[in-house]
Parts: sequence; structure tokens; C-alpha cells
Amino acid sequence: TQLLEQSPQFLSIQEGENLTVYCNSSSVFSSLQWYRQEPGEGPVLLVTVVTGGEVKKLKRLTFQFGDARKDSSLHITAAQPGDTGLYLCAGTGGGSNYKLTFGKGTLLTVNP
Amino acid sequence: EAGVTQFPSHSVIEKGQTVTLRCDPISGHDNLYWYRRVMGKEIKFLLHFVKESKQDESGMPNNRFLAERTGGTYSTLKVQPAELEDSGVYFCASSIRTGVFTGELFFGEGSRLTVL
Repeated sequence: TQLLEQSPQFLSIQEGENLTVYCNSSSVFSSLQWYRQEPGEGPVLLVTVVTGGEVKKLKRLTFQFGDARKDSSLHITAAQPGDTGLYLCAGTGGGSNYKLTFGKGTLLTVNP
Repeated sequence: EAGVTQFPSHSVIEKGQTVTLRCDPISGHDNLYWYRRVMGKEIKFLLHFVKESKQDESGMPNNRFLAERTGGTYSTLKVQPAELEDSGVYFCASSIRTGVFTGELFFGEGSRLTVL
């Protein structure tokens, strides 16, 4: 069974600070996605990474896929209150190219 | 373009009752998925439809859960009889394609089920 461990579980920071969220596994994933979920809504895809060592940037967000495709990180620069939400990583692998394995998520609060 | 819509948004029932959740995927999306998040746990895969066919129902907890997608459009997920441990948020998602998984899943807002 593939598992994704996210850390930290909760993060509360001040506006303007930087932060990194981690997603780790002992299993290899063929692709990894990061989602953001707001209260009362479903997860919304931010990015998909598929190549070991891949780095993708989305404005102030930087996503990295580990060389061995077992881990990923999300770095936010100069966080803003609008970044507040639940960040979820999810991977595909183990012979399936459609079934997502999710981490429990990191609940980020950015205080003004 | 309308997104994935789910109904009801919240359902409160008593143990032993039946509940049916509905999902309308984005028009043209052949792939439809059901996921569930139980409190304190991660979101977990339940099953996957391609059009009207069940491709993978390996995540369905037990035979009290029945999913259908007649005509390959909307889908229903029936829980009968409901148990306390069935409480959680049921998410539906749809996508255009699978294959090499670079396809984006679009999630609905979820149906929160509370079993008392």
C-alpha cells in the first residue's frame, strides 16, 4: 500500500514569510500532484510533476519532485492571506495511472 | 462551463437508513471518480467509471455501497444501510482522459454525510 506523509500538519505564519510543505513516501510515484482546498469546496489542482528532479513554478509557489520520485515539496515565497487553505499532495503509481493516493494535507493559515 | 456538481451538499441520516448521493460531471468528461474523506484520515479512492463502465471499484468499502452511472452521464452512490463509520465527505471528480496521467481531475464540492 502506497502512503504519502505530509508535514507539517498545521502551519500558521505571518504575511510575508516563506514556508515549505513536505510530502514523503517510501514508494515510487509515477506522478505527483499538489492541490489546494478551501472550506466547503473540493480540491483544486495546482500542479502535476512527473519527472524525477522536476521543478515547476507557479507565481510565488515552487514545486519540486524528488530525484527518486518518492518525495515532493511545495515552497511558498512571501506568503499572503490569500494563500490560506489546505494543501494536499497526491500521487499515482503502483500500476495505476488514474487512482490518486492522497496525503492528509497541510492546513496553512497566513495571518495579515 | 459548469463544474462538477454534487447533491446533496449535506445529508444527516440515522444508522440503518439509505442515502443516495449524486454527481454530475463536467460535460464531455468520460472519466468519473468517487473519493471519500473520513474525519482525521486522508482522501481515499472509491471507484472509477469510464463512461458507464466501472473500471476499478477496488476502493469500495463493502457491499453496502453501490455506484451507478447509467448512460455514462451522472453518477449515483447509494449507501444502504448506512453505518456510523460511513460518515465523511464524499467527493466526485471527473477528467477528460487517463492514459499517461497528466490529466487534470476536477473535483466537486463534496457531499457531507453524517450518520447518527
